[in-house]
Amino acid sequence: EVQLVESGGGLVQPGGSLRLSCAASGFTFARYAMIWVRQAPGKGLEWVSSISGTGGGTDYADSVKGRFTISRDNSKDTLYLQMNSLRAEDTAVYYCAKEGDPLIVVVYLDYWGQGTLVTVSS
Amino acid sequence: EIVMTQSPATLSVSPGERATLSCRASQSVSSTLAWYQQKPGQAPRLLIYGASTRATGIPARFSGSGSGTEFTLTISSLQSEDFAVYYCQQYNNWPLTFGGGTKVEIK
Repeated sequence: EVQLVESGGGLVQPGGSLRLSCAASGFTFARYAMIWVRQAPGKGLEWVSSISGTGGGTDYADSVKGRFTISRDNSKDTLYLQMNSLRAEDTAVYYCAKEGDPLIVVVYLDYWGQGTLVTVSS
Repeated sequence: EIVMTQSPATLSVSPGERATLSCRASQSVSSTLAWYQQKPGQAPRLLIYGASTRATGIPARFSGSGSGTEFTLTISSLQSEDFAVYYCQQYNNWPLTFGGGTKVEIK
């Protein structure tokens, strides 16, 4: 059974930093790209960042580029999101998700974690 | 960036009735379209990918159709557990983009 479990969310002041983790199990982690998606309170879904299976390729939404860094440790089956220079508009539930098909370039998301809430406020 | 537009924003349906949800892309995405269901306090769940292929474990009452710029998710006979928010997502080009969602509520 595929499981994705996020952790690391919490309350942080504007300008602060936070590191999210996503522990994966139930599949061969290194074979799949992984994605972070966020959802602001009462709002829709927004893609944040993606990383290839090897970790050699990454991409970011313009809204977080230069502030967030995605990474993975395939020896630990864990995905990370380092978030720096946080702003109030980064307040959201952050989900990690697994790509559905490693054979295609752009992805749909077949499994999602339960999410972790990040609140940026003074 | 491809903009995804869903309509209506809210759909009021009685249990047992049919629900039809629409999703439009600002440019062609071929059949690279997915649908997700999200219930309050839960993560999204994949329903449909490739515009019409049901994901593992998804009941047959959920069906997807369309290609290019116009897509439809149909729930043939709404069950109580189907009242939720539904999102479409294109995966033809980066960045991945989602529609704003359609809330299916009990009439």
